[in-house]
Amino acid sequence: EVQLVESGGGLVKPGGSLRLSCVGSGFTFNNYNMNWVRQAPGKGLEWVSSISGSGSYIFYAESLKGRFSISRDNAKNSLYLQITSLRAEDTAVYYCARGGTVVTPRHYWGQGTLVTVSS
Amino acid sequence: QSVLTQAPSVSGAPGQRVTISCTGNISNIGAGFDVHWYQQLPGTAPKVLIYADNNRPSGVPDRFSGSKSGTSASLAITGLQAEDEADYYCQSYDSRVSGWVFGGGTKLTVV
Repeated sequence: EVQLVESGGGLVKPGGSLRLSCVGSGFTFNNYNMNWVRQAPGKGLEWVSSISGSGSYIFYAESLKGRFSISRDNAKNSLYLQITSLRAEDTAVYYCARGGTVVTPRHYWGQGTLVTVSS
Repeated sequence: QSVLTQAPSVSGAPGQRVTISCTGNISNIGAGFDVHWYQQLPGTAPKVLIYADNNRPSGVPDRFSGSKSGTSASLAITGLQAEDEADYYCQSYDSRVSGWVFGGGTKLTVV
């Protein structure tokens, strides 16, 4: 069974930094692109970033470039998102999501971790 | 403003059929990229309802179906039930942003 478990969220002051983690299980981690998606309170879903299975290809939402950094450690089946210079508008639930392939096109999502930016 | 366009809300009576549309363009749905649909209940993570245009994960009732044509996709729900009240999102890949794009979400109310 595919599982994705996020951690690392919490209350952070404006200007602070945070690293979110996501551990995957039940699939061959390095075979899949991984993504971060966020959802602000009462708002829709927003794609944040993606990273290829090898980690060689990385993409970010244009509006978020500069403060967000995605990475992965395939030996640990782990995905990370480093966020710096946090702002109130970064307050959201951050979801880790596995992309699909031609053979296995289904996506999988974790339960999310809440990041609250407030003084 | 979302790249994919969905109506903000839709409603139907129990037992009725409703459809939720998702309109994109030639860099996403129109380019042939898969469309996925998610159901989100309050306070929970999005649940995969339909993947790769028209496939249901095991456990999803066959009352839910997906279709795609040109630059648009649709989610149909037949035999509406009170438990179907939720937010529904479409998602695809966009070659211009090199990443996922979402619809703004449609709130389904069962009246």
